[in-house]
Formats: sequence, C-alpha cells, structure tokens
Amino acid sequence: ELKVEQNPLFLSMQEGKNYTIYCNYSTTSDRLYWYRQDPGKSLESLFVLLSNGAVKQEGRLMASLDTKARLSTLHITAAVHDLSATYFCAVDMAGNKLVFGAGTILRVKS
Amino acid sequence: DGGITQSPKYLFRKEGQNVTLSCEQNLNHDAMYWYRQDPGQGLRLIYYSQIVNDFQKGDIAEGYSVSREKKESFPLTVTSAQKNPTAFYLCASSIGRIHTEAFFGQGTRLTVV
Repeated sequence: ELKVEQNPLFLSMQEGKNYTIYCNYSTTSDRLYWYRQDPGKSLESLFVLLSNGAVKQEGRLMASLDTKARLSTLHITAAVHDLSATYFCAVDMAGNKLVFGAGTILRVKS
Repeated sequence: DGGITQSPKYLFRKEGQNVTLSCEQNLNHDAMYWYRQDPGQGLRLIYYSQIVNDFQKGDIAEGYSVSREKKESFPLTVTSAQKNPTAFYLCASSIGRIHTEAFFGQGTRLTVV
C-alpha cells in the first residue's frame, strides 16, 4: 500500500524567511503533484512533477522530485503572508489513483 | 468556461437518510474521483472511475455508492450505512490514463443533523 508522508505538518514562519516542506512516499512512482488549499476552499494545482530530477518554479515556490529517494520537496523563498495555506503532495499510484499526504499547514507571520 | 461543478455547496442530512452529491465536468476528462476530507486531515479516496460505466472502490468506500452513466457526471450517494458522514467532499477529474493531474470542484460540506 502506498503511503505518503509530509513533514512538517505545521509550519509557522516569519516573512522573508526560507523553508522546505518534505514529501516522502513508500513505493515507486514518477508522478507527483503539489496542491494548495485555502481554508474552507477546494484544492488548487501548483506543480506537476513527472520525472526524476524534475524541478518547477512559480514565484516564491519551487518543487523538485527525486524518484530514487522517493522524495519531493517544496521550497519557499522569502515567505510572504499570502503564502499562508495548507499544502498537499499527492503521488500517483499505478491505476490512476492519487494518494495524498496529510498536508502541511503553513502560517506566515509578519 | 471549462470546469468541475459540485452541488450543493452545503447539505444537511438527517440520521438514516440517503443523500446524493452531484459532480459534473465539462473538461472532457475520462477519469473522475471522489475524496473525503475531515477537519485538519488529508484527502481520502472514496471511489474513482476511469471510464463510463466502470468504477473502483477507494480506501473508504463503505457506506457510499456511485454511478458513471455519462462521461461528464459522477454522482456520489452517502447512504445510511455511513455512520459518520459529516465531512467536506471533493470531486475531481483528470484526463486519465497517464495524465493524472487532478482538477477539483469547489466541494460539498455535508453535515448530519
């Protein structure tokens, strides 16, 4: 059974600081997705990582995938308050089934 | 505009009642999914469908049923057998096959009264 673990589960940061969220998964997969969820809202797709070594960047967020280590990272650079949200990684299990991590609640303090 | 529409946004269910949550997409996606989210938790897969007239159980299918009679529609019924149905329900779709990036509807918040 595929397990997806995110850490930390809660992250409180000061504006302007850098930090990394980690997503580990237990079985082979080369397709991983990052989503953002604002309170009470649905999920918004952030990044699609489809191969080993894939790196994607959008604004202050950068995601990478290491399929050999079964690890993806979401790096936050110079955090701003608008980045406060819950971030989920999701891994594609064979058969088009996405398994989600528990989510990382990010709070950026000014 | 293309997208996924869930209705209703809020739903109240009495104990012992069945209720049906609607999910419609006009993205021409083959695959559709239902997830459940409890407060402060991740998403758990209830059912998914990769093609019309076919669907598979996810990790928490007990107490739920689905149908996929049309490509654009994937309704979820929460039956009276589901003992703790209060949650946020999210429908998603993807192109399918190797393209599994999922796009989500706005969700239905179900409360048992």
